[in-house]
Amino acid sequence: AQTVTQSQPEMSVQEAETVTLSCTYDTSESDYYLFWYKQPPSRQMILVIRQEAYKQQNATENRFSVNFQKAAKSFSLKISDSQLGDAAMYFCAYRSPPAGNQFYFGTGTSLTVIP
Amino acid sequence: GAGVSQTPSNKVTEKGKYVELRCDPISGHTALYWYRQSLGQGPEFLIYFQGTGAADDSGLPNDRFFAVRPEGSVSTLKIQRTERGDSAVYLCASSEMGGTDYGYTFGSGTRLTVV
Repeated sequence: AQTVTQSQPEMSVQEAETVTLSCTYDTSESDYYLFWYKQPPSRQMILVIRQEAYKQQNATENRFSVNFQKAAKSFSLKISDSQLGDAAMYFCAYRSPPAGNQFYFGTGTSLTVIP
Repeated sequence: GAGVSQTPSNKVTEKGKYVELRCDPISGHTALYWYRQSLGQGPEFLIYFQGTGAADDSGLPNDRFFAVRPEGSVSTLKIQRTERGDSAVYLCASSEMGGTDYGYTFGSGTRLTVV
């Protein structure tokens, strides 16, 4: 089974600074998708960014970008110009087509943004 | 509806009782998923529906757990003889079709507490 590891249970960042959240995964497949989800206290999982493994270019979404290292099976999330609204739990997730009807999630990183 | 709706938001039940958790997916989404999120963990897959049928129920932990989706829209997760270990947030998600994460949207979950 695929495993996703987030080794940072908690992280903090000063408002307007940059923070990087780490994620590693284990798989024997070559085609898959990786995600970062944000979970605020409302509990709803909100998609932050998505990366397709066959694309070498790192995905970016406004202030959010990833560093995808396929050989190292590493997928980190960089948040630039951190805002108070970025404070939440962040989960790294893996999905593998064609049988990929489920996501495999890491244990999460709690991000605190300090004003 | 505009989003995935889950009811109730919170449920407290006594050990040994039967509970039903409801998920109303986004209109037109044929795929529906249930996940369980225990305290301090990421969501774990329980079951996936494509239309009315359970296409993958490999994540159900035991035969006390059962889910239905009789008309291909609303789904109900049923837990018999609840145990304290069943306490968790139960998340539902839907997507436009199975085998893809297009439009994959989570609800805000039901927090189940078994006392």
